[in-house]
Amino acid sequence: GIQVEQSPPDLILQEGANSTLRCNFSDSVNNLQWFHQNPWGQLINLFYIPSGTKQNGRLSATTVATERYSLLYISSSQTTDSGVYFCAVVGETSGSRLTFGEGTQLTVNP
Amino acid sequence: DAGITQSPRHKVTETGTPVTLRCHQTENHRYMYWYRQDPGHGLRLIHYSYGVKDTDKGEVSDGYSVSRSKTEDFLLTLESATSSQTSVYFCAISELSRTQYFGPGTRLLVL
Repeated sequence: GIQVEQSPPDLILQEGANSTLRCNFSDSVNNLQWFHQNPWGQLINLFYIPSGTKQNGRLSATTVATERYSLLYISSSQTTDSGVYFCAVVGETSGSRLTFGEGTQLTVNP
Repeated sequence: DAGITQSPRHKVTETGTPVTLRCHQTENHRYMYWYRQDPGHGLRLIHYSYGVKDTDKGEVSDGYSVSRSKTEDFLLTLESATSSQTSVYFCAISELSRTQYFGPGTRLLVL
């Protein structure tokens, strides 16, 4: 099946810093989502972005489908950004089944 | 937020007992999914449904069964719980290959 790799696995920032999280995938996709799992375990949808660029406030994401990667940008980070960020994809031969990466653990210190 | 609820939210049970987890949606989405989340493995698909009475296996389906008799409800059953099934279980909903929305999760501890 499709493989999803996220980097870095862990990231520690000071409040106000910017960061870039990367997601590589091994095959063509027709769905790519970024999620934030907060410290209470809730999975929050950030972006549905199988291709192109989207922005939502301090967050933006870019997916280059032809090169099989996606980037999540966090600007002016806040302590509330802490948690785990997951990338998940649906391969073109996977129907509707999401395959998750193992996530990036982000800690933002005050 | 998508209208997805899971019950129970927390459960402690003993090895060998049957357990049923319920996912309920108010969005009338066709697709429903059950995932488990374990340290070091991210989220992995257990089973999913693409319509009433239509279900299929995911990558970690052994030891689990599902049923969907109504659009809004998707049940996950552990016929005889084992300690390896201690996990956090998430339900999700979607329309085909569009955005999947996740429920709040159920923490299951099998002693």
